[in-house]
Amino acid sequence: DTAVSQTPKYLVTQMGNDKSIKCEQNLGHDTMYWYKQDSKKFLKIMFSYNNKELIINETVPNRFSPKSPDKAHLNLHINSLELGDSAVYFCASSLGQGGYNEQFFGPGTRLTVL
Amino acid sequence: DAKTTQPNSMESNEEEPVHLPCNHSTISGTDYIHWYRQLPSQGPEYVIHGLTSNVNNRMASLAIAEDRKSSTLILHRATLRDAAVYYCILRERINTGTASKLTFGTGTRLQVTL
Repeated sequence: DTAVSQTPKYLVTQMGNDKSIKCEQNLGHDTMYWYKQDSKKFLKIMFSYNNKELIINETVPNRFSPKSPDKAHLNLHINSLELGDSAVYFCASSLGQGGYNEQFFGPGTRLTVL
Repeated sequence: DAKTTQPNSMESNEEEPVHLPCNHSTISGTDYIHWYRQLPSQGPEYVIHGLTSNVNNRMASLAIAEDRKSSTLILHRATLRDAAVYYCILRERINTGTASKLTFGTGTRLQVTL
């Protein structure tokens, strides 16, 4: 069974559209994250939720809105997609928020905005 | 964000040990040193972490300098499957709470040859 899964794996869409990426973890973790990896391979945290509460919100355009319906799910909705949003988006989870806890990453969603 | 400095790339022969260095001279007392790796077209994968003492696990060893300003990830016998980008990360506490975050740098691309 996949520990952290994301859907879809690939997403190709036009500028201006609204899209969502879903993430689910079956590890029993209480903390989930979204990361963005751009074309230069820089991996940067965007958001983190702990027990459905937003705890990290980096400098991300408000077109990006995370939603955590329960501890096992963290979805990412993106409004009015722009060319610069093209990237690979990774979801991750961990048990607890502390620095001693490893994060488990999903396989990524490659978003291409045309 | 706390910074780490790593060589851009390193090469190793298969079956030989690999020492991947990392400098983190601005580390604070509560920052954990984490290592993750990213294989091609996959999400990052946890390797090891430590705070002050050297650490061993089934994947690797982590040697931490006494002043904590540098560390070295040791792969005891490199295989072709170890070819990846290795990230040395300081897991920083956010504000005064228990939350922390990983800030990825550019990492070291390890090439393993026969």
